[in-house]
Amino acid sequence: DIVMTQTPLSLSVTPGQPASISCKSGQSLLHWDGKTYLYWYLQKPGQPPQLLIYEVSKRFSGVPDRFSGSGSGTDFTLKISRVEAEDVGVYYCMQSKEYPRTFGQGTKVEIK
Amino acid sequence: EVQLVESGGALVQPGGSLRLSCVVSGFAFSSNWMSWVRQAPGKGLEWVANIKEDGSDKNYVDSVRGRFTVSRDNAKNSLYMQMDNLRAEDTAVYYCVRDRTGTARLDYWGQGTLVTVSS
Repeated sequence: DIVMTQTPLSLSVTPGQPASISCKSGQSLLHWDGKTYLYWYLQKPGQPPQLLIYEVSKRFSGVPDRFSGSGSGTDFTLKISRVEAEDVGVYYCMQSKEYPRTFGQGTKVEIK
Repeated sequence: EVQLVESGGALVQPGGSLRLSCVVSGFAFSSNWMSWVRQAPGKGLEWVANIKEDGSDKNYVDSVRGRFTVSRDNAKNSLYMQMDNLRAEDTAVYYCVRDRTGTARLDYWGQGTLVTVSS
């Protein structure tokens, strides 16, 4: 199975400040079809996860442009340009290059 | 509006069985793969299984293979998970998720249904 490792596991951010979460995979997520199957999800308190970013850097419908994803191969980053109160929750990266799909441990983001 | 509504979660004894259901609306159910993802209390996310649009292909995480069976009824816009020989470690909220065909992304999630395995 592909192991996904996130850092940090928790983050406390002042509103309006940037935040960054790293995700490293145990092997390259570049598929033979040329796509890289790395996703980012946010699970707000008491809610199911919601898709933020797919294929490394593509924002899902309705996701604010303060969220951006980058990276390649085995190293990926989610950045929030200016954190807002509604961004609190747990962020997960996930790979879909091969089965089983695997998630990172999650990064809990809170507001200072 | 996309809606995925799970049901069937309950308290069950170890070794018991349970069948989860998910009714979908707001998108073409029969044109999409579907997945189940679970989350143990206070823990992270674990992908469990998925099923192809026509039910002809299924994939499972090793920990449930042979005990869980995913199925679907496209006429009823419904996804199912038959869970047999349940263990304490299967205790979790189970989410029904659209597994968007052609993209491998899990993009729409239900609210989840809680399965508790305990004596």
